[in-house]
Amino acid sequence: GENVEQHPSTLSVQEGDSAVIKCTYSDSASNYFPWYKQELGKGPQLIIDIRSNVGEKKDQRIAVTLNKTAKHFSLHITETQPEDSAVYFCAASKKGTGANNLFFGTGTRLTVIP
Amino acid sequence: NAGVTQTPKFQVLKTGQSMTLQCAQDMNHNSMYWYRQDPGMGLRLIYYSASEGTTDKGEVPNGYNVSRLNKREFSLRLESAAPSQTSVYFCASSEAGPRGTEAFFGQGTRLTVV
Repeated sequence: GENVEQHPSTLSVQEGDSAVIKCTYSDSASNYFPWYKQELGKGPQLIIDIRSNVGEKKDQRIAVTLNKTAKHFSLHITETQPEDSAVYFCAASKKGTGANNLFFGTGTRLTVIP
Repeated sequence: NAGVTQTPKFQVLKTGQSMTLQCAQDMNHNSMYWYRQDPGMGLRLIYYSASEGTTDKGEVPNGYNVSRLNKREFSLRLESAAPSQTSVYFCASSEAGPRGTEAFFGQGTRLTVV
């Protein structure tokens, strides 16, 4: 099965700085890589995703990059704000096979210091 | 539109007691899932139901049973709770087919077994 590793486990940044979270995966057949944000007391929520035929995707202050050769992908948050503080999870799967084949990383707790 | 609703939000059980976690979704999704979230281990799939009338084991099914009551509802039962089942439980749902990998999560149930 798929093995997803995520680093770092905790990350603190000053407001306005950038934050980068990195993940690696093991199954070369994985082709869909979502990122979920989990705020305190809530369930994870999809914030951005990328497919294997794309190297980078941006959505306002959030971007994800993918290197299929090296089997790693990263989440980049620019101009961080206190409301970005949350736990972020990366995941990998083969798109279209159902969320039962969605494998999660262990999470990164991001703290943005005002 | 409530999305995915879980009850209860918090529960304390004594070892050996039983309970059922309830989950309902109003997005007309075919597939539903139960995950547990433990510190440092991310989200792990317990059971899933690809469609009404079917259920399958996930990564960590031991000690649990599930029932897909209808298209909206998917319950998780602990027949004889153990301290190792202390965790936060999330229900999720997704569409079937090519978009089936995006999972929508409930707010979670924090279960403590003493």
